[in-house]
Amino acid sequence: ELKVEQNPLFLSMQEGKNYTIYCNYSTTSDRLYWYRQDPGKSLESLFVLLSNGAVKQEGRLMASLDTKARLSTLHITAAVHDLSATYFCAVDSRQGAQKLVFGQGTRLTINP
Amino acid sequence: GAVVSQHPSWVICKSGTSVKIECRSLDFQATTMFWYRQFPKQSLMLMATSNEGSKATYEQGVEKDKFLINHASLTLSTLTVTSAHPEDSSFYICSAFRYSNQPQHFGDGTRLSIL
Repeated sequence: ELKVEQNPLFLSMQEGKNYTIYCNYSTTSDRLYWYRQDPGKSLESLFVLLSNGAVKQEGRLMASLDTKARLSTLHITAAVHDLSATYFCAVDSRQGAQKLVFGQGTRLTINP
Repeated sequence: GAVVSQHPSWVICKSGTSVKIECRSLDFQATTMFWYRQFPKQSLMLMATSNEGSKATYEQGVEKDKFLINHASLTLSTLTVTSAHPEDSSFYICSAFRYSNQPQHFGDGTRLSIL
């Protein structure tokens, strides 16, 4: 059974700082997704990582995937308040069928 | 703009009521849609996979007679929570994907409160 674990679960940081959220998963998969959720809202897609070594960047966020280590990272550079949200990684448990298993989520709070 | 529409966004009803939630893909055909449930401050849990023209596939522990899913067309899936009770109160979210190598698009969610 595929398990997906995020670390940390809660993160409070100051604007301008850098930090990394980690996503570990237990069985082989080469499809991993990052989503953002604002309070009371649904999920917004951030990144799709489809192969080992994939790296995607959008603004202050950068995601990477190491399928051999079964690890994905979401790196935040020079954080700003608008990035405060809950971030989820999700792994496709059935290659291409998009049966997603979600991590617990990382609640990120960025303080001015 | 939104590519998956979910309706209603908020439902408050009495215990014992059945509630229907609709999920529509707006500009693409979706042979597969997904239904998730999210309790406060928790992650998303997949409830079932909705398959157009065939029976839904339910995850372990999800009662198929309690959560009826109908996927009658390529753009519409419905989830009916039958005889809802307070423990069914949750945030229900549907999703669909256009291509298998693209992310799922999520509806805005339905907040269900059973009194």
